[in-house]
Amino acid sequence: EAGVTQSPTHLIKTRGQQVTLRCSPISGHTSVYWYQQALGLGLQFLLWYDEGEERNRGNFPPRFSGRQFPNYSSELNVNALELEDSALYLCASRRPGGGYEQYFGPGTRLTVT
Amino acid sequence: AQSVAQPEDQVNVAEGNPLTVKCTYSVSGNPYLFWYVQYPNRGLQFLLKYITGDNLVKGSYGFEAEFNKSQTSFHLKKPSALVSDSALYFCAVRPPLGSSSNTGKLIFGQGTTLQVKP
Repeated sequence: EAGVTQSPTHLIKTRGQQVTLRCSPISGHTSVYWYQQALGLGLQFLLWYDEGEERNRGNFPPRFSGRQFPNYSSELNVNALELEDSALYLCASRRPGGGYEQYFGPGTRLTVT
Repeated sequence: AQSVAQPEDQVNVAEGNPLTVKCTYSVSGNPYLFWYVQYPNRGLQFLLKYITGDNLVKGSYGFEAEFNKSQTSFHLKKPSALVSDSALYFCAVRPPLGSSSNTGKLIFGQGTTLQVKP
């Protein structure tokens, strides 16, 4: 069974630019979560999508947004990049029903210069 | 507010010795608890979870964790550490279903670096 995949692996952007990160969940999983792992700040919850709907978002500004597609893949968009957006962005998926554990992808390392 | 605390930034242990990585939580009700491991430049790997039932849960790679409701703790343990266990370990909690604080997200501790020396 393939795991959660994310693309790209790394990218470098300059301040003010926009970026789109992509995530494909494990087959059969319908929920997708996005987390930011910034140095010294730990893992911070960004967004939760389930069945194509945004269910919850963390304490991040509106320039962080995303969506989930009918095939349950998801993308995270960040507009007007700031230096402090430099982080590892992790996507996780969860199967419907019980279980509750989330399975993480390898992440996208974003560097903003 | 819900929170997870991992009181040790780093744990050092000799190969072959038992290891414990500590975790305490603050969540109302009966939470769901998880341990994850992260190797350098990698995502998080799920190790084990406690939802209900036996307080001692077994997971991947020989790890286990003990849920203690009275102490609100969920410490990760392994009887005999390996050098390859060296990594960053995260404890996480999800508030229980039906609670007003259940937003689907996991709340993570700050992580504990485990260093196993030969």
